[in-house]
Amino acid sequence: GQQLNQSPQSMFIQEGEDVSMNCTSSSIFNTWLWYKQDPGEGPVLLIALYKAGELTSNGRLTAQFGITRKDSFLNISASIPSDVGIYFCAGQLYNTDKLIFGTGTRLQVFP
Amino acid sequence: GAVVSQHPSRVICKSGTSVKIECRSLDFQATTMFWYRQFPKQSLMLMATSNEGSKATYEQGVEKDKFLINHASLTLSTLTVTSAHPEDSSFYICSARGFQPTNEKLFFGSGTQLSVL
Repeated sequence: GQQLNQSPQSMFIQEGEDVSMNCTSSSIFNTWLWYKQDPGEGPVLLIALYKAGELTSNGRLTAQFGITRKDSFLNISASIPSDVGIYFCAGQLYNTDKLIFGTGTRLQVFP
Repeated sequence: GAVVSQHPSRVICKSGTSVKIECRSLDFQATTMFWYRQFPKQSLMLMATSNEGSKATYEQGVEKDKFLINHASLTLSTLTVTSAHPEDSSFYICSARGFQPTNEKLFFGSGTQLSVL
């Protein structure tokens, strides 16, 4: 099945550091979403982006919908231990309900 | 916020048996539900789209006779893995969309870990 390219694959950072991850696609998406998944759980929506160029924040998280509509990034500022988990981007094609997920970024935060 | 309940959270079965997984929208009516499969350390892959009152739409490469989907009501969709084999062992996740056509109305269940011995 189709997947989005997400990088980096994993990150090991110290508490307090900022984090940046991105997602790219060869297809244009109507909507970009960012999710966090804890082990053994379903993904939880962090941020939703609906317009090209849109920049949206949710607390320490900031995400942007790329101008070309083929990419998105997620930044986490001042990371804390509970930020540990796997982050997935997801793109939604125009006029469908289907989500195409990225390959995931595994984040580990050390105190 | 809206809740999607998935049951069971974990199931272990013998090879050749069938397993049913339920996905319920607890406080909203879900016209559409989606079933995903996630292998260890991999991403979520869409298996099928379940529409209330009609046949499910399966993604390419997903066997409809092996993964039976029933969406008999606006709050319940079931996925039955028939004649399960060890290679079917995976984390299965459902999501549900309500009537509002926005992405914030798409909610995920907590997943079912299937282990086939």
